[in-house]
Formats: sequence, structure tokens, C-alpha cells
Amino acid sequence: GAGVSQSPRYKVAKRGQDVALRCDPISGHVSLFWYQQALGQGPEFLTYFQNEAQLDKSGLPSDRFFAERPEGSVSTLKIQRTQQEDSAVYLCASSLDEGQYATQYFGPGTRLLVL
Amino acid sequence: AQKVTQAQTEISVVEKEDVTLDCVYETRDTTYYLFWYKQPPSGELVFLIRRNSFDEQNEISGRYSWNFQKSTSSFNFTITASQVVDSAVYFCALSEGDDYKLSFGAGTTVTVRA
Repeated sequence: GAGVSQSPRYKVAKRGQDVALRCDPISGHVSLFWYQQALGQGPEFLTYFQNEAQLDKSGLPSDRFFAERPEGSVSTLKIQRTQQEDSAVYLCASSLDEGQYATQYFGPGTRLLVL
Repeated sequence: AQKVTQAQTEISVVEKEDVTLDCVYETRDTTYYLFWYKQPPSGELVFLIRRNSFDEQNEISGRYSWNFQKSTSSFNFTITASQVVDSAVYFCALSEGDDYKLSFGAGTTVTVRA
């Protein structure tokens, strides 16, 4: 079946621009996660949704970062007034149920470059 | 503090050699899960295995095997008879207690040369 998909795959933004990154989870998956992966590093947690509820946003680095999942399916990560330090790969993952230990399946990521 | 440590940054082997990737974790919870993911050049993280803290049985899946030792807080991963297609970055990750998120190590880059 279809996996997690993300768009765009690549995004170049000028410093100060707003960007929106989209994630389509696996159909029927309750939980959705966003991670940020800097070059040469492991992914770092940003935020977690259970259906449409954002249960944890402790990893969002600043108030310029905002995520939503209004209908409990597709999610959008928005970054306002992008800065060069926002350059990274943004990974989305989904899992079938709401258990803490459910396996997370990842999308291909969106590579963001802020100039 | 880093919860997951992958001390090996890069490993380079010749095809058909075995390669072992080390993972050491730190947690105060008695209930936790450990994961291994593979990240090929395409960028997508591919799930390999999940192991819970109460199951110390080692596991083998084809050319892959995992050794979980709670006494040393380690969850090591071995690729037997490596192939060029095994070239990727491999991540160990931890999910602990009531937390939903995964804490990843920095990853080990494996290069298999023909």
C-alpha cells in the first residue's frame, strides 16, 4: 500500500519567507509526528498529533513554527519568517495506533534550504 | 544528555564482510522500546526492527541480526555478508516511559565497497 508522502520534496526559500510543508500519512493511521533532521545528525522530534489533536509540541524550536492537522489526516508544518538555521530535512511519520510504542513509518522528507 | 549513543560515525567494509553497529542507550524507565532504522541516499527512514525492554531474545532476519543486552544498555545490529545495497545511514532510536516521540542517535554511515 501507499506509504507516507511529503511535498514538496525540495524547497528553497529566501530568508524571511514563509513556507508550508505537507504530509500525507498512511491511510487510517491515528498518530502523526514531525521531526527535523540537520545535516549529519539524527532526526529531532518537533511535534505529535493524535487524530486532529496536537498533544505535544515541545520540540518546536520557536513560535515561528506551527503545525496543524485539522481533519485528522493530512498535516501541514508552517515556518514563518524563515531563517538560515531552519535549513534541514523535515520528516513526517505516522503510526497506526495511539500507543506510545507503535512503530512509526517515515516519509521521504522535505529538504528545506533557506538562503 | 544524549539518550542514544552511536559511537561509530562511519564504517567502511568490502562486500561479503560482516559489520556490527553499536548502540548504547540511557533511560530510567523500566518500560521502553528500541528501534533500528535505515536511511538510504533517497532519504526515507526505513523501519527495520522494534524491541521492547522485556524481551531480551536476540533476533535474526535474513542477513540482519540484533543483540539486546540490558545489562550493558546496548542494542547492537549486525549485517552478515554485507552487500553494496546495504550502504546507508543506520539509526538506533529509543521510545521510553509515557513518551510518544523517538530519540535518535546520530547515526552510523555504512559504506559497502564492491
